[in-house]
This record gives sequence, C-alpha cells and structure tokens, in this order.
Amino acid sequence: QVQLVQSGAEVKKPGASVKVSCKASGYTFSTYGIHWVRQAPGQRLEWMGWINTGDNNREYSQKFRDRVTFNMDTSASTAYMALSSLRSEDSAVYYCARDLLNGIHDAFDIWGHGTEVTVSS
Amino acid sequence: DIVMTQSPDSLAVSLGERATINCKSSQSILYSSNKKNHLAWYQQKAGQPPKLLIYWASTRESGVPDRFSGSGSGTDFTLTISSLQAEDVAVYYCQQYYNTPHTFGQGTKLEIK
Repeated sequence: QVQLVQSGAEVKKPGASVKVSCKASGYTFSTYGIHWVRQAPGQRLEWMGWINTGDNNREYSQKFRDRVTFNMDTSASTAYMALSSLRSEDSAVYYCARDLLNGIHDAFDIWGHGTEVTVSS
Repeated sequence: DIVMTQSPDSLAVSLGERATINCKSSQSILYSSNKKNHLAWYQQKAGQPPKLLIYWASTRESGVPDRFSGSGSGTDFTLTISSLQAEDVAVYYCQQYYNTPHTFGQGTKLEIK
C-alpha cells in the first residue's frame, strides 16, 4: 500500500544537526512532492517546506531557510530533511507528507508516522 | 503569512449529535484561476499523524465517511460531523495551501459529552 516510513527517534545536543529520512513505497516516488511539517508539544502543525521529487526543486519556509536542507535519493525512493544548529525549541515530531495532486499548492494525503527529535543538553 | 484561526478550541458533543468546527483565514484563500478554496481539514488522533479528511474546502478524501463535510468560501470555513461517533474523538486542524508557508489552525479538540 502507499506509505511513507520515517527514520527513528533522535536525541541531539544543542548546536548539533539531525537528518530524518522518509522512504516512500507503493507509488512512483517522482510523481508526487514531499512536504516536511513539524509539531512541537502543544503547538500547531508547522510547515517547513517542500521538495519536488520530479525535478529536485525546493521551497523552504522563511523561518527555517538558514538551517534546513531537503535532499532526495530517487533510486531509493527516499527524501531527507536535515536541520542544523539545533536548539531546545526544535524538539518536536517531524513529519513528511505527500502532496495530493503533485504540486506545492496541494493538501497532504499521505503522512509518515513521524520522527521525534529531542534536543537536550 | 496567512493566519488560520479555529473556533472553538475544544468541543464536547453527545454521540449521534452534530459537531461543527469553524476556521477563519486572515485573507481570502479562494484562487481566482481555478475558483477553488485552498483549504483542507485533517483529523489527528492521539499518537498518530494527521489524516486528510477534506480538501478544496468541500471535497471528501477517498474512504472518509460521509458524515464528514466541509463548506465555506473566501475566508470562512466549516467542518461538520453530522452524527458523532466514538471514533471521531480527535483534534481537528484546518490548513491553507493557497500561499507558502502553508499554515494550520491551532486545532480543535473534539470529545464525547
């Protein structure tokens, strides 16, 4: 079935970097873009950006632009999100999500299970 | 950024009764070229990722029960659950995908009365 499987939970120290993977299965990876969304405890969902898996074009939220990088490995049907200079406020569950109709201005129809990132000294 | 504001923050409804959740955007999210409202509704149960219920403000995602419906246009939107079931206990979020950054409402927690 169509699914996104994310990498496991991470614990990082302030100032470190984290890389989360998102492996797609059940569909052609390059047909639909991947969004990254995070959810800090008690906070609303927060969009971090999007990668077009067809042409590797990316759009980053202004809030994260200096610290986040999206990459992908089409042969492995996997998207990656790397976040640097971590601080305690970055402790959250990070989700990847597929766009519904292959465009940045789409709803998200398939979500990964989430990767919990904890930033603590 | 477009600010999405939901009301109420929490809601308790009896089984079989109607539940209504509102969402207001700080600017119109009706796209003139396709005449569609770029508004989605998601359901998030405890410990799970969000699940898409409604997109284009009123189109039900495949497999979503028809007791869920969406309405509204421009800046004001509503999610209605016509007859609440026990499995509908969750937090519900609206999202605009008209502009980047895509933004979400603060969530409405729905419980059984």
